[in-house]
Amino acid sequence: SQQGEEDPQALSIQEGENATMNCSYKTSINNLQWYRQNSGRGLVHLILIRSNEREKHSGRLRVTLDTSKKSSSLLITASRAADTASYFCATDGTGNQFYFGTGTSLTVIP
Amino acid sequence: DTEVTQTPKHLVMGMTNKKSLKCEQHMGHRAMYWYKQKAKKPPELMFVYSYEKLSINESVPSRFSPECPNSSLLNLHLHALQPEDSALYLCASSQASRLAGNEQFFGPGTRLTVL
Repeated sequence: SQQGEEDPQALSIQEGENATMNCSYKTSINNLQWYRQNSGRGLVHLILIRSNEREKHSGRLRVTLDTSKKSSSLLITASRAADTASYFCATDGTGNQFYFGTGTSLTVIP
Repeated sequence: DTEVTQTPKHLVMGMTNKKSLKCEQHMGHRAMYWYKQKAKKPPELMFVYSYEKLSINESVPSRFSPECPNSSLLNLHLHALQPEDSALYLCASSQASRLAGNEQFFGPGTRLTVL
């Protein structure tokens, strides 16, 4: 069963624009991670945010976490064609459970 | 060496065949994982090995049999698979032994087709 749902399912933007994708989850979590997956390839870890953190930055990435709303967002600024990929949130909570969200497919048009 | 390797890249097998997928990491990671991913879906966790011992089996059918011969190697033995088992099989590892709160390093996957 999936814990997280991502929105939008697909997003298409022009190079240089910002991309925002959202992840909502159902039960309390300890940590939330974001991963990127290029078509048919393995996943690459982007960022981890803990339940007691509200915001984190890494390069052009900004992640926010609102535990009261059970949601997180990933912002990619100044997007590039190379950012074209699927983006997944992943949550872990009690009982050693770990789930990926449904994913957002991002296309950046050069 | 900071990568996870998987072989083969592609595998086509019949329902009566026995085959194995192989995964290797030389980062000294203590946990290794198998995931199954269907097209346009998120990865689904199958097995977790921690310190070479199976710690999580997510109710995977017995036609999938994992094996961890040593801390660097992880195998997935396949037998009597069904066409619906066709998917991308991903291996991952993490430095810490716990699944939670740890960055996972993924291999490129094995694309499996069951005829």
